[in-house]
Amino acid sequence: EIVMTQSPPSLSVTPGGPASISCRASQSLLHYSGPNYLTWYVQKPGQSPHLLISWASNRASGVPDRFSGSGSGTDFTLKISRVEAEDAGVYYCMQALQTPFTFGGGTKLEIK
Amino acid sequence: QVQLVQSGAEVKKPGSSVRVSCKASGGTFNSYTIYWLRQAPGKGLQWMGGRLIVLGTTKYAQNFQGRVTITADESTNTAYIELSSLTSEDTAFYYCAASAIKGVGPTWWGQGTLVSVSS
Repeated sequence: EIVMTQSPPSLSVTPGGPASISCRASQSLLHYSGPNYLTWYVQKPGQSPHLLISWASNRASGVPDRFSGSGSGTDFTLKISRVEAEDAGVYYCMQALQTPFTFGGGTKLEIK
Repeated sequence: QVQLVQSGAEVKKPGSSVRVSCKASGGTFNSYTIYWLRQAPGKGLQWMGGRLIVLGTTKYAQNFQGRVTITADESTNTAYIELSSLTSEDTAFYYCAASAIKGVGPTWWGQGTLVSVSS
C-alpha cells in the first residue's frame, strides 16, 4: 500500500499569517490520464472531515481561495495564504490512486 | 448537494457484530461510490472499503478482510457496513462517505457513528 507522510505534525500560526503543510507519497500519484490523485481534507473539532482540494490543486466548491494545493508525483503542499481563526483543525492528505486509500498522519493547525 | 445520515451510536460486547447504516439524499444514489472509514478516538483516518453502487462491486482493506461486509439497498438509498468479531480495538467513529468522481475519494461525509466495544 502507498504510505503517506505529512509534516509538520502540528503548526501554530498567527491570524493573517501563512501556513504550509507538506505531504509525501511513497510512490507517484500521477494517474496516466493526467491528474495527481491527491486529496486534502480538514477536520474541525467534533466534526466529520471536509473536502478541501482534489486532484492536488482543485479547490472544492465553497472553499475560500486562500487555500491552494500544489505538487505532482510524490510531493505535495497545502498552503493557506492568510490564516483565519475558523481554519483551526487537523489537515489530512489522502491518496486516491489505489485501494486501500491511505492518509497522512495529519497536521494540527492551531491559531495563536 | 448530497447528504448522508448515519444510524446512532452503538455499544457492543467483544466477539459480537455491529451494523451501521448510511442513508443518502440529494443526489443519484447509483452514480456513487460509497466508502466506509473509521477513526479511533484521537487518532487518524483509516479506509475500510468501498462499494461502486451501479456495479455492486466492493473492495475491502486487507486489514478487515473476512470481518467486514459493505452492502447497499438501492430501493432506499441506504448503504450498510457490518463488522464482526469485535474487539476493544474496533472502538471508533465510523464514517460513511460518497464520491461521484474517480480519483477524488470521499467527497461528502456522514456525521459519523460511535461504536464502543466493551465487556
